[in-house]
Amino acid sequence: EAQVTQNPRYLITVTGKKLTVTCSQNMNHEYMSWYRQDPGLGLRQIYYSMNVEVTDKGDVPEGYKVSRKEKRNFPLILESPSPNQTSLYFCASSLRHTENTEAFFGQGTRLTVV
Amino acid sequence: GENVEQHPSTLSVQEGDSAVIKCTYSDSASNYFPWYKQELGKRPQLIIDIRSNVGEKKDQRIAVTLNKTAKHFSLHITETQPEDSAVYFCAASTWRALTFGSGTRLQVQP
Repeated sequence: EAQVTQNPRYLITVTGKKLTVTCSQNMNHEYMSWYRQDPGLGLRQIYYSMNVEVTDKGDVPEGYKVSRKEKRNFPLILESPSPNQTSLYFCASSLRHTENTEAFFGQGTRLTVV
Repeated sequence: GENVEQHPSTLSVQEGDSAVIKCTYSDSASNYFPWYKQELGKRPQLIIDIRSNVGEKKDQRIAVTLNKTAKHFSLHITETQPEDSAVYFCAASTWRALTFGSGTRLQVQP
């Protein structure tokens, strides 16, 4: 089954404790991105990757890191989480962004930083 | 960068009525405009999209219109049903990213 898989689904952590949210897709998509969803603000892009080893900042990149060593994986790293990073996070992938193809979303990760 | 505004933020209709959600965008280079539906506790899923060379697209009860001159596009849902209740997001695509609107919570009252 074609899908985007995120883990974990839920995470509660303490301020300053490094964490990684994994994202994997099995559709051979070139483009992957991370969004955070907050009430009244919609989905805001954190980072994106056009292809392997090519990543760039989105609209709200502060406090986050990403890597794209393999085509299928695009982990989101919070080196020192803070309470303002409490949010619902979605990973998404699409075949090639420049061809305007459908973005497929993961199930979401609800992160709480206390 | 691109900025997408979406209205209204909440919309309540009676079953069988029509619902209209409107979005405006700022970047004239945007050329792809998808709409996503997000049910409670689930991931956003594409319901319809339109490209900049098309003015209108329809798929059963849903339709999208695009006015490139005015930089606005709209989602129309006819004969609404309770299962249409969800949050709807519009988006505009530039060369690097999809930029989403803030969402519209649609409630269809039986």
